[in-house]
Amino acid sequence: DIQLTQSPSFLSASVGDRVTITCRASQGISSYLVWYQQKPGKAPKLLIYAASTLQSGVPSRFSGSGSGTEFTLTISSLQPEDFATYYCQQLNSYPQTFGQGTKLEIK
Amino acid sequence: EVQLVESGGGLVQPGGSLRLSCAASGFTFSSYSMDWVRQAPGKGLEWVSYISSSSSTIYYADSVKGRFTISRDNAKNSLYLQMTSLRDEDTAVYYCARDETYCGDDCYPAFDIWGQGTMVTVSS
Repeated sequence: DIQLTQSPSFLSASVGDRVTITCRASQGISSYLVWYQQKPGKAPKLLIYAASTLQSGVPSRFSGSGSGTEFTLTISSLQPEDFATYYCQQLNSYPQTFGQGTKLEIK
Repeated sequence: EVQLVESGGGLVQPGGSLRLSCAASGFTFSSYSMDWVRQAPGKGLEWVSYISSSSSTIYYADSVKGRFTISRDNAKNSLYLQMTSLRDEDTAVYYCARDETYCGDDCYPAFDIWGQGTMVTVSS
């Protein structure tokens, strides 16, 4: 199975900050990586697919990059509604594993 | 409106069974592969199972293989998860998700639509 390791697991930041979350795969997954945002008590929401393509309706302050084994999610200027937990997921092979999550909290 | 609505969760004793349903609306259900994903209380997301649009291809996580069965009824726009021999560690919110494929030069999948989830609690 492909393991995904996100870092950091917890991130404290302020409105307006630029933040970056990293997702590392245990083996190469090309660009078969997606990012989700999840708020408490809610279902995950798709942010980015194919490692770097923004899902329709997602604000442009979100961006993704990477290929192979290392990927990043960047939020260019944090807004109050961005404080949530973020997950990466690989869809290169089954089982389609998720990272352990990064909880983004208000400083 | 494109929507997925899960039902069937509840409290069940260890060793018991439960059948989850996911009702789809607002899109051509028969054209999409579907998945189940679960989330234990306070924990991360865990992919559980996949079924192709025609039910010809099915995958399971090792943690549920042999105990859970995924199925679908395209005529009823519904996805199911039959869970047997339930264990404490199966306690989670279970989400159904639509498996979309985005194609440009290459094609890439993603779970673009999720239901609200249904809670399954396994406890004596």
